[in-house]
Amino acid sequence: DAGITQSPRHKVTETGTPVTLRCHQTENHRYMYWYRQDPGHGLRLIHYSYGVKDTDKGEVSDGYSVSRSKTEDFLLTLESATSSQTSVYFCAISRLANYGYTFGSGTRLTVV
Amino acid sequence: DQQVKQNSPSLSVQEGRISILNCDYTNSMFDYFLWYKKYPAEGPTFLISISSIKDKNEDGRFTVFLNKSAKHLSLHIVPSQPGDSAVYFCAASGVDAGGTSYGKLTFGQGTILTVHP
Repeated sequence: DAGITQSPRHKVTETGTPVTLRCHQTENHRYMYWYRQDPGHGLRLIHYSYGVKDTDKGEVSDGYSVSRSKTEDFLLTLESATSSQTSVYFCAISRLANYGYTFGSGTRLTVV
Repeated sequence: DQQVKQNSPSLSVQEGRISILNCDYTNSMFDYFLWYKKYPAEGPTFLISISSIKDKNEDGRFTVFLNKSAKHLSLHIVPSQPGDSAVYFCAASGVDAGGTSYGKLTFGQGTILTVHP
């Protein structure tokens, strides 16, 4: 969807290095979310934001941090990447709570 | 603890027939349910939703049924088409202990639907 962009699309990194994934939206939506998708688990919420500088933890937040300094950008940081963080990461945006999300195309992260 | 479960990892149907995908949940605080469709190398796309005040919602070939007493919902696709072949996720949301909803979704594991021509 043109209103939400994730970067990079693919990344390979080494264990112990920091990694930042970026989610950029042009829809001016209030809510932004980071999920990870793993086989057998569906999508699990990592962190979410309900406004600029307003963020909170999700179901699987250990090892991750986020920042949202402006409406359009939501950054996900792995402070020290581990092999268990190898996954596909999806960002999503929503205008209202309890409203269908729009997902980005995903970032495939491999930690070696 | 999986609060939303899709117990069928895969489903195979013939073109033109009905596809029925099932989903069970355990959290009584969930009050809004959604279905998403996902193609390989793409993000999930919203398909259809239902509020807990309803038991059925239709949109073209897609119908979602909600049975609150059984904590069960299902997605019916009639007639099924080869282009419907994808992974289908059910998801649920509700208010937190403070009565606020942030739109956080809890997803099931997904069901791979294959529609054969």
